[in-house]
Amino acid sequence: EADIYQTPRYLVIGTGKKITLECSQTMGHDKMYWYQQDPGMELHLIHYSYGVNSTEKGDLSSESTVSRIRTEHFPLTLESARPSHTSQYLCASSGEGEAFFGQGTRLTVV
Amino acid sequence: SQQGEEDPQALSIQEGENATMNCSYKTSINNLQWYRQNSGRGLVHLILIRSNEREKHSGRLRVTLDTSKKSSSLLITASRAADTASYFCATAPNTGTASKLTFGTGTRLQVTL
Repeated sequence: EADIYQTPRYLVIGTGKKITLECSQTMGHDKMYWYQQDPGMELHLIHYSYGVNSTEKGDLSSESTVSRIRTEHFPLTLESARPSHTSQYLCASSGEGEAFFGQGTRLTVV
Repeated sequence: SQQGEEDPQALSIQEGENATMNCSYKTSINNLQWYRQNSGRGLVHLILIRSNEREKHSGRLRVTLDTSKKSSSLLITASRAADTASYFCATAPNTGTASKLTFGTGTRLQVTL
């Protein structure tokens, strides 16, 4: 059973609102990831962290930002949501082996 | 750009048949992993094969790795309708603690009765 949690599971929000997607893991993993995925499509890495206070942009440019103040917590923030941000956001963590994924947040911006 | 390319993009087979998916990657790796994703859910890890291994089995899954060709294959034997999902390969580069896991483009498998 994976010990990584994402909230909320679904979010419908109006254009221009600020949102934060939460991701927490209890496995003590140093590496954490945020991926963006449209239905039936490939995963795009948007943010990566390999430890506290270390974050990097991923392969896909994103207007979102992340922080890693604690090992277990890796929230993603959008300052001003737009319809183009509508997608599924997947959080994951890993040690040196397999990655564990949360159930995802499906974001719809109207 | 994605590290891994998978083919086919989509595969439809009947229950009981075998399904083979292929993954090619670009850089040196420490290990290669396969994941499964049911529609709208997070990914679930299936199997990990290290760069010094050539073949690995887990139940009905068989994974091969050819580092000279930078490719891997996933074989699912005696497929079931419940195997219907998307399958992704992921590579971990051979570059130290800051290395990140990068996913391929995925194969959508449909198993029909």
